[in-house]
Amino acid sequence: EVQLVQSGAEVKKPGESLKISCKGSGYSFTSYWIGWVRQMPGKGLEWMGIIYPGDSDTRYSPSFQGQVTISADKSISTAYLQWSSLKASDTAMYYCARRLVESDAFDIWGQGTMVTVSS
Amino acid sequence: DIQLTQSPSFLSASVGDRVTITCRASQGISSYLAWYQQKPGKAPKLLIYAASTLQSGVPSRFSGSGSGTEFTLTISSLQPEDFATYYCQQLNSYPCTFGGGTKVEIK
Repeated sequence: EVQLVQSGAEVKKPGESLKISCKGSGYSFTSYWIGWVRQMPGKGLEWMGIIYPGDSDTRYSPSFQGQVTISADKSISTAYLQWSSLKASDTAMYYCARRLVESDAFDIWGQGTMVTVSS
Repeated sequence: DIQLTQSPSFLSASVGDRVTITCRASQGISSYLAWYQQKPGKAPKLLIYAASTLQSGVPSRFSGSGSGTEFTLTISSLQPEDFATYYCQQLNSYPCTFGGGTKVEIK
């Protein structure tokens, strides 16, 4: 079964760092782009960026460039999203998703990781 | 960034109704558009990509059309499991922005 499994919910304080993960299985992890999508509480979907685990080629939305870092470790089929200094406004659900080969649409999604930033 | 405007933001419909949701792009995006369904507490699910290509496993009552700047998602006969929020996403250029969503509720 093709699936993406994300790390568990996190509760952090402002200023702390965080790295969440997304592990792929059931397919060739290095052959598909993996993207990250933010959903703030009660709000819509926001495309953050995307990485190709085969060579770590990465693209960011200008809204998130410099705010987060997307990376991947192909040896363990895992993509990451990290923050060096969290803000309360980073409180959201974060989804990873696999990009189709023939389109930039996301066909397989992780279950989501809820990040709560509160003092 | 390309902006996507969905309408309506909310619609109330009955089982068996034909439902149409519109997505307008701020500039031409050819057929580079996808539609997703999201239920509360769940990840989005891909329904359609390339404006009209049905993703594998998606019921045929869902269809998509359009090109350029105007697109539609149609549910031919609304089923109880279709009550959800629907999002369009443009795939023409990075960042691949999403529309604001359309919530479909039971009348």
